[in-house]
Amino acid sequence: ETGVTQTPRHLVMGMTNKKSLKCEQHLGHNAMYWYKQSAKKPLELMFVYSLEERVENNSVPSRFSPECPNSSHLFLHLHTLQPEDSALYLCASSQDLIGGVYEQYFGPGTRLTVT
Amino acid sequence: AQSVTQPDIHITVSEGASLELRCNYSYGATPYLFWYVQSPGQGLQLLLKYFSGDTLVQGIKGFEAEFKRSQSSFNLRKPSVHWSDAAEYFCAVGVTQKVTFGTGTKLQVIP
Repeated sequence: ETGVTQTPRHLVMGMTNKKSLKCEQHLGHNAMYWYKQSAKKPLELMFVYSLEERVENNSVPSRFSPECPNSSHLFLHLHTLQPEDSALYLCASSQDLIGGVYEQYFGPGTRLTVT
Repeated sequence: AQSVTQPDIHITVSEGASLELRCNYSYGATPYLFWYVQSPGQGLQLLLKYFSGDTLVQGIKGFEAEFKRSQSSFNLRKPSVHWSDAAEYFCAVGVTQKVTFGTGTKLQVIP
């Protein structure tokens, strides 16, 4: 595997379900990101991890819970979601945030549908 | 805080024609600048980036972008568009560890 991978690619879940999205990067990066992409809305940054510590949480509802067990893996745990949470969830990685801004490399995304 | 504007939501060009996608940013100093492309159902792919130096930046797939400080712009160009270039294009601005994405320009290519 190369680059950034995400599983599953598609997910349909009911509002009472619990599921997790997985992201893995094979680039040796130290920063990882979760974004939400909804139709007709700008890309929304949800969470940022740098060196496995959460450095940003942009007022995301608690029904989204991130986990970064090591610098290569990032999870997004989902529970009791709402229909408006249906979107494409993108994971990205970059060099660590210390010292500046680096380009981000994105995975293909998980298309989530909440019924 | 920085911001980025892509004034064109949708652009249609004929195959073989030239292309220019506009991007304007708002920030007091020179930020880091990026262009990404997203094909349907896919993630974003980096086309090119500007950190400093030569204001004309070459990227992948035959794209280039020019940084113009006086106009706070970073427009993306391609001299001859191919049908496979149909996608959505995002400009992004990076300042002190934070990257802000524009709302995107959807490119349609007609034969």
